Amino acid sequence: GAGVSQTPSNKVTEKGKYVELRCDPISGHTALYWYRQSLGQGPEFLIYFQGTGAADDSGLPNDRFFAVRPEGSVSTLKIQRTERGDSAVYLCASSLSQGHNLPNEQFFGPGTRLTVL
Amino acid sequence: KQEVTQIPAALSVPEGENLVLNCSFTDSAIYNLQWFRQDPGKGLTSLLLIQSSQREQTSGRLNASLDKSSGRSTLYIAASQPGDSATYLCAVDSSYKLIFGSGTRLLVRP
Repeated sequence: GAGVSQTPSNKVTEKGKYVELRCDPISGHTALYWYRQSLGQGPEFLIYFQGTGAADDSGLPNDRFFAVRPEGSVSTLKIQRTERGDSAVYLCASSLSQGHNLPNEQFFGPGTRLTVL
Repeated sequence: KQEVTQIPAALSVPEGENLVLNCSFTDSAIYNLQWFRQDPGKGLTSLLLIQSSQREQTSGRLNASLDKSSGRSTLYIAASQPGDSATYLCAVDSSYKLIFGSGTRLLVRP
């Protein structure tokens, strides 16, 4: 079956512009996660959705970052007034999220490489 | 605050060698620990997941162990091959979100 997909694979934008990054999770996965990975580092958590609601958005760096998942499937990460420091690979993951008594294995997409000039 | 450390940061070995990658974490209150592989410019591929109640998991030439009380996990790779060259990341799940180490960059020389 299809894995997690993300579009676009690459995005180049200018400082101050608005960008949207899209994530299509594995069908049937109720949990969806966004992470950000800088060069040479492990991914850092941004936000986690359980269904349509954001269950934990503690990783969003500031109010320029926002994410939605209106129908509990596809999610969009939105970044306003982009800054050069936002340049990174943005990774999306999904899981079945059956509760902590069962494995919550997260499956990752290929990522979107964002470059802010 | 949970912190995850991976040692070594980089490792170069000849083909056929058995090797061990180390991961340590500061807070033992975890639900599970996951090992990933990342090829250059690619996303993460899940290798093994160990639940907090388990001590180890095996998949092919890979074996991962977990000692929750001491905050340690190891990934053992048997009979390494050039195709194993990649960055290996460990991540702990303490509240659904994963906290990652910075990874170990592995090069297996033919």
